Amino acid sequence: DQQVKQNSPSLSVQEGRISILNCDYTNSMFDYFLWYKKYPAEGPTFLISISSIKDKNEDGRFTVFLNKSAKHLSLHIVPSQPGDSAVYFCAAMVSGSARQLTFGSGTQLTVLP
Amino acid sequence: DGGITQSPKYLFRKEGQNVTLSCEQNLNHDAMYWYRQDPGQGLRLIYYSQIVNDFQKGDIAEGYSVSREKKESFPLTVTSAQKNPTAFYLCASSLGGHFYEQYFGPGTRLTVT
Repeated sequence: DQQVKQNSPSLSVQEGRISILNCDYTNSMFDYFLWYKKYPAEGPTFLISISSIKDKNEDGRFTVFLNKSAKHLSLHIVPSQPGDSAVYFCAAMVSGSARQLTFGSGTQLTVLP
Repeated sequence: DGGITQSPKYLFRKEGQNVTLSCEQNLNHDAMYWYRQDPGQGLRLIYYSQIVNDFQKGDIAEGYSVSREKKESFPLTVTSAQKNPTAFYLCASSLGGHFYEQYFGPGTRLTVT
């Protein structure tokens, strides 16, 4: 049973436009969410996170939105750059527990020049 | 320069042999984790350790073993009992306390034939 789902395996966006990556979760105990960026044959790089007590967190070109009632979060990248092309993973955890991360299957973002 | 190192980058073994993957961190992080990534899938947790001399099984621990004798080191042994050992293995660490983000090493690609 996939507790964290990224239903879009791939997304293509024109350079300079907005990229929106989506993630849904089923476990209502999750209270901390993270986004990672990954290039092939490398480890994931932490991008941005959000606690369930917030509905938005922003860091430069990256903004994460959390809709707890819908169990949905999204990552917005504005403006998109060719260097943003990578696989993006959404991850979730229960912060009071052993802090195990549950990952989605990832979305391949391609930013076209 | 603080970080997480995994060695080697690529590892080849014959079926039936045990193999140990190295993970070292100099970030003074308390917690360490091992994940496995298969093509088109997210990361799945194998084992984790919150403190020295203590570790717990993750979602897919069968066929793997770990040790945590030092804070800096968390080696993973892939045993001959692991049915599908060929994968990309990622080690991560986190500070603990109110810091939930996990930081990843560059990964080891293990191929068993």
